[in-house]
Amino acid sequence: QSALTQPRSVSGSPGQSVTISCTGTSSDVGGYNYVSWYQQYPGKAPKLIIYDVNKWPSGVPARFSGSKSGDTASLTISGLQAEDEANYYCCSYAGAYTHVVFGGGTKVTVL
Amino acid sequence: QVQLQESGPGLVKPSETLSLTCAVSGYSISSGYYWAWIRQTPGKGLEWIGSIDQSGDRYYNPFLKNRLTISVDTSKNQFSLKLSSVTAADTAVYYCARHRELVNDAFHMWGQGTLVNVSS
Repeated sequence: QSALTQPRSVSGSPGQSVTISCTGTSSDVGGYNYVSWYQQYPGKAPKLIIYDVNKWPSGVPARFSGSKSGDTASLTISGLQAEDEANYYCCSYAGAYTHVVFGGGTKVTVL
Repeated sequence: QVQLQESGPGLVKPSETLSLTCAVSGYSISSGYYWAWIRQTPGKGLEWIGSIDQSGDRYYNPFLKNRLTISVDTSKNQFSLKLSSVTAADTAVYYCARHRELVNDAFHMWGQGTLVNVSS
């Protein structure tokens, strides 16, 4: 069981928006602004798409956006495209002992 | 362009030591950053194993640290993972990665991953 809780799956039609939640505690998501999100296609390595809650690495489309409220972080994909069908994982710094925790992953399906 | 490439045995027997190396190209490890090992299993998803910088400053997953050694070899521009007393639960795809800036920051670059099967 992963430390951060994500929905197993979300779906949407092309052009719609979908939001993936990532719920932790005050010891991880709620305590630090080091939440990141990763996109992973089957058989491939994860790719960083959001870091520090809401920042984009170079080359990532702005239709991916991140936010945080309390112990819950969120990833929103606006203007959903077929190529967005993938698994998405959240990650948070969790302090000096545990250090890093991941979510269990969410499969995004484009209908 | 920075690239990371994992290498090591794909099959390890139970109770033995799993050893992997991550070769870094396009960037000198001596120049900085923290470098990490992460694994992925169907059952537990992604799990951070540990991180190290060029000076050998290490951070380990507390649930693995009794079996874990991560080291860096700046002369070969690579870092390594050793996990002892493995069981079937250690069967996973193992990734090496680079932190974005700080050790508590995101994993900016990833290797392609290597599957390690623990089986007799």
